[in-house]
Amino acid sequence: DTAVSQTPKYLVTQMGNDKSIKCEQNLGHDTMYWYKQDSKKFLKIMFSYNNKELIINETVPNRFSPKSPDKAHLNLHINSLELGDSAVYFCASSPGTSVVTGELFFGEGSRLTVL
Amino acid sequence: RKEVEQDPGPFNVPEGATVAFNCTYSNSASQSFFWYRQDCRKEPKLLMSVYSSGNEDGRFTAQLNRASQYISLLIRDSKLSDSATYLCVVLTGAGSYQLTFGKGTKLSVIP
Repeated sequence: DTAVSQTPKYLVTQMGNDKSIKCEQNLGHDTMYWYKQDSKKFLKIMFSYNNKELIINETVPNRFSPKSPDKAHLNLHINSLELGDSAVYFCASSPGTSVVTGELFFGEGSRLTVL
Repeated sequence: RKEVEQDPGPFNVPEGATVAFNCTYSNSASQSFFWYRQDCRKEPKLLMSVYSSGNEDGRFTAQLNRASQYISLLIRDSKLSDSATYLCVVLTGAGSYQLTFGKGTKLSVIP
């Protein structure tokens, strides 16, 4: 059983389109995250939700909108895609309200290519 | 100065070699430290935490030097399966904690 699953794994689309990436975790964790890993392999947090509430919102263009229908799901919708949005987007989860244990459970990533 | 800095490598070492990676962090208030491993085109996974007194997990030894703000990872008797990118990760914040990842150091273990 996959603990943190993301769909789709690969996404190729044209500039200007709108796309969504879905994430689900079956670990019973309270907190979920979206990270972006760009071509330089830099992994940077975008958003964090705890029990459906937004707790971290880094400086991300407002074309990116996360949605958490329940604590097991955190989806990412991206409007008006740009070339610079091409990256691997990782969903992750952690137990409790903080990550003091340092352990994030990542999904396999969704590789987005904007043409 | 970047929050978490690592030499990107690659480090190409023969099987059986000992290899060490260093990482420096800029925020002296950082509370906790970790090493993650990321295989090519895969997700990052926690390798080990780094404790103030240093800690070992099999062939892996992690150390922390708070005064100099650096963390190290030593891998002894390298195996082919150790080939991966090793990410240094720092926990900062108060109340709303956050993990900050370094760009990683790529290791290739050669037969």
